[in-house]
Amino acid sequence: GAGVSQSPSNKVTEKGKDVELRCDPISGHTALYWYRQRLGQGLEFLIYFQGNSAPDKSGLPSDRFSAERTGESVSTLTIQRTQQEDSAVYLCASSLYSGSGADTQYFGPGTRLTVL
Amino acid sequence: QKEVEQNSGPLSVPEGAIASLNCTYSDRVSQSFFWYRQYSGKSPELIMSIYSNGDKEDGRFTAQLNKASQYVSLLIRDSQPSDSATYLCAVKRASKIIFGSGTRLSIRP
Repeated sequence: GAGVSQSPSNKVTEKGKDVELRCDPISGHTALYWYRQRLGQGLEFLIYFQGNSAPDKSGLPSDRFSAERTGESVSTLTIQRTQQEDSAVYLCASSLYSGSGADTQYFGPGTRLTVL
Repeated sequence: QKEVEQNSGPLSVPEGAIASLNCTYSDRVSQSFFWYRQYSGKSPELIMSIYSNGDKEDGRFTAQLNKASQYVSLLIRDSQPSDSATYLCAVKRASKIIFGSGTRLSIRP
């Protein structure tokens, strides 16, 4: 079946502009995560959505970052007034929520954001 | 102290040998533990998950978990050049899955 998809695959923007990144999770997956990965670094947790529960936004680095999710489908990550330090690959992952902790995440291909 | 710590490497292992990757975590209430492989320029892919103390084997891969020592490891037997990648340790605590910064593994022919 279809995996997690993300768009755009690459985004180049100018400092100060707003960008919107999209994630389409695997159908039926109730959990959705956003991560940021800077060059040569590990994955930095940003935000987690689970069903209709309030999202865990504790990883968002500043109020310039926000994310929305429509039900159990598409999610968008918005970065306002982009800065050069926002340049990174933004990865989305989805999983079935088992409640037992045994949740395998499936990652999308990522969006490479470059802020000039 | 980072929540999930890994040696960044690079770890160089001869082909056919055993590669041993280690990870420590800080939060004792962590529930589940994962090893992901990430090739350069690609997304992470799950190799192993482990939830209970002890060993879990899957083909050439063995994950080991010691909750008392807050330590999880991954052994790769009969290492192949295709195993050359960055290996990410991840730990689930409540709703979050926290990743280490990864260990770069290089298998030399």
